[in-house]
Amino acid sequence: DAGVIQSPRHEVTEMGQEVTLRCKPISGHNSLFWYRQTMMRGLELLIYFNNNVPIDDSGMPEDRFSAKMPNASFSTLKIQPSEPRDSAVYFCASREQGAGSPLHFGNGTRLTVT
Amino acid sequence: DQQVKQNSPSLSVQEGRISILNCDYTNSMFDYFLWYKKYPAEGPTFLISISSIKDKNEDGRFTVFLNKSAKHLSLHIVPSQPGDSAVYFCAASDSNYQLIWGAGTKLIIKP
Repeated sequence: DAGVIQSPRHEVTEMGQEVTLRCKPISGHNSLFWYRQTMMRGLELLIYFNNNVPIDDSGMPEDRFSAKMPNASFSTLKIQPSEPRDSAVYFCASREQGAGSPLHFGNGTRLTVT
Repeated sequence: DQQVKQNSPSLSVQEGRISILNCDYTNSMFDYFLWYKKYPAEGPTFLISISSIKDKNEDGRFTVFLNKSAKHLSLHIVPSQPGDSAVYFCAASDSNYQLIWGAGTKLIIKP
């Protein structure tokens, strides 16, 4: 299995631009999570989907952030417009259903907004 | 309010010795606890977990101990190897299967 695949690995953009991060979860996993990691806040859960349906988006910082999961094999996290404080590493993770099932993370997208 | 705490930002251990990473939690309703390891420029990788009904789980060089009365768990790595140098995250799972993460402990294994 290729694991969770995220693209791009690095994104550098100017303030005000739209940014789209992509994620392909592990086949057969029915839950997908978007996390953000910063030095100040550590790992923060932004949103998670169960069977392609958003369950909890309370971690999404502002309306500038949106996430979609149009099918079981693809999800996007969009920031529009981007701001310098959005600079962070964004991780996507997926897991099977079941208590204690571990999350499997992608290698992240390092976003830099100048 | 931090429900999962890793109070040591970093830990340095001699190669071959035991590494002990600690984690405290506040919510007695957590039912699973997991340890993840993270290398720079990579996502966290699952290491080992323990159910709240157990007090110990072992997998090779890695053992996790759970003390529910103290709301404390620890990860033991023995013997420690240079490749174990990484950031270790403790996470707890609630009834909604959501993971609550600690801030991480950076483990440095000295040759």
